[in-house]
Amino acid sequence: QKEVEQNSGPLSVPEGAIASLNCTYSDRGSQSFFWYRQYSGKSPELIMFIYSNGDKEDGRFTAQLNKASQYVSLLIRDSQPSDSATYLCAVKSPFSGGYNKLIFGAGTRLAVHP
Amino acid sequence: NAGVTQTPKFQVLKTGQSMTLQCAQDMNHNSMYWYRQDPGMGLRLIYYSASEGTTDKGEVPNGYNVSRLNKREFSLRLESAAPSQTSVYFCASSEVGGGGRTEQYFGPGTRLTVT
Repeated sequence: QKEVEQNSGPLSVPEGAIASLNCTYSDRGSQSFFWYRQYSGKSPELIMFIYSNGDKEDGRFTAQLNKASQYVSLLIRDSQPSDSATYLCAVKSPFSGGYNKLIFGAGTRLAVHP
Repeated sequence: NAGVTQTPKFQVLKTGQSMTLQCAQDMNHNSMYWYRQDPGMGLRLIYYSASEGTTDKGEVPNGYNVSRLNKREFSLRLESAAPSQTSVYFCASSEVGGGGRTEQYFGPGTRLTVT
């Protein structure tokens, strides 16, 4: 079992719709969770982080964390073609102490069509 | 404030050649990391440096060495390149964690091809 799993996609949504990206993780002791956006040929860019159960909103983005079910999701409201990218879920390894070792999922490719 | 910079952007090597990838950050971060990214496999940690003067192996360290030259700079060396090392290499940095901010910031990447 992979430590951090994401559906590879592509997830195709129409412009203006809500895109829902999901991520599950295997280690129940994980504490910190991150979403990165990566455009083709570019480096990952941090867009959200969440540490506590529940929802965290930032503009059109909402991160949701459910530690009991070991999943974290990212909702993108009013999706735009410029949101088309690969979204990487990352989880801080519970064994990394203060060293911030992140375990990445393989990413979900999102395609927003006009 | 340039963030994380990497050189070179592109490189083609022949099997058996050596090279060093350079990384520098100007955010005064303590921790630095080297990843490789291959299609369908996500980002895999090669080596990391929790603080100046320390380095540790990550998930896929074989065939690589690193040097934490000072707080700003962290280099990755391929001593004898192999086609399996064809990949995109990213450097990243972060503050030391604990209860504080732990997110990592990435450089633009180096696209390496080994023939």
